[in-house]
Amino acid sequence: KQEVTQIPAALSVPEGENLVLNCSFTDSAIYNLQWFRQDPGKGLTSLLLIQSSQREQTSGRLNASLDKSSGRSTLYIAASQPGDSATYLCAAAYSGYSTLTFGKGTMLLVSP
Amino acid sequence: DAGVTQSPTHLIKTRGQQVTLRCSPKSGHDTVSWYQQALGQGPQFIFQYYEEEERQRGNFPDRFSGHQFPNYSSELNVNALLLGDSALYLCASSRRTSGFPATDTQYFGPGTRLTVL
Repeated sequence: KQEVTQIPAALSVPEGENLVLNCSFTDSAIYNLQWFRQDPGKGLTSLLLIQSSQREQTSGRLNASLDKSSGRSTLYIAASQPGDSATYLCAAAYSGYSTLTFGKGTMLLVSP
Repeated sequence: DAGVTQSPTHLIKTRGQQVTLRCSPKSGHDTVSWYQQALGQGPQFIFQYYEEEERQRGNFPDRFSGHQFPNYSSELNVNALLLGDSALYLCASSRRTSGFPATDTQYFGPGTRLTVL
């Protein structure tokens, strides 16, 4: 069964701290992996997309890595800010049609 | 450039009723996928439409059906509603790449919150 797991389920850090969110997936035969942000009661905002042939992607203070052999991806957030508080979801595309299998997310709280 | 839009924003129904949710994809996108997100869970894939046909389907019963129109907009229909159908329903659009597999980013709408009483 193809599954995506995210650890930790919740994380609370003080402003300015660097942090890492973890995502693991079964079955290394993924086409791509995508990280999303979700604010309470809202839709999903795409943060980074890593193709299966890539090792990492960067956007501003965000860096995502992909290690297919170990079935892991990490999202690194540098110099966290209160505005980063949200739930972060990772999703793997096991299908060539880019349909996504999601983890349950990590709820991040950055306190001033 | 308008992103993915969904209507209505919120909906309250009773058990046994039927509901229709609507989605307009991002400009230039031709593929629409629907997801169900229960409270505290990650979204689960329902089905995907391309060229007005259902291309892939997740593990959802036949009570869930859909449609895609020539302008690429889409509807999700749920019949015989159950309490367990209460969730946030998300629509995602993408642009079909020229080759396979598809590698485009999925763009999500704000969702429709369905409450079944």
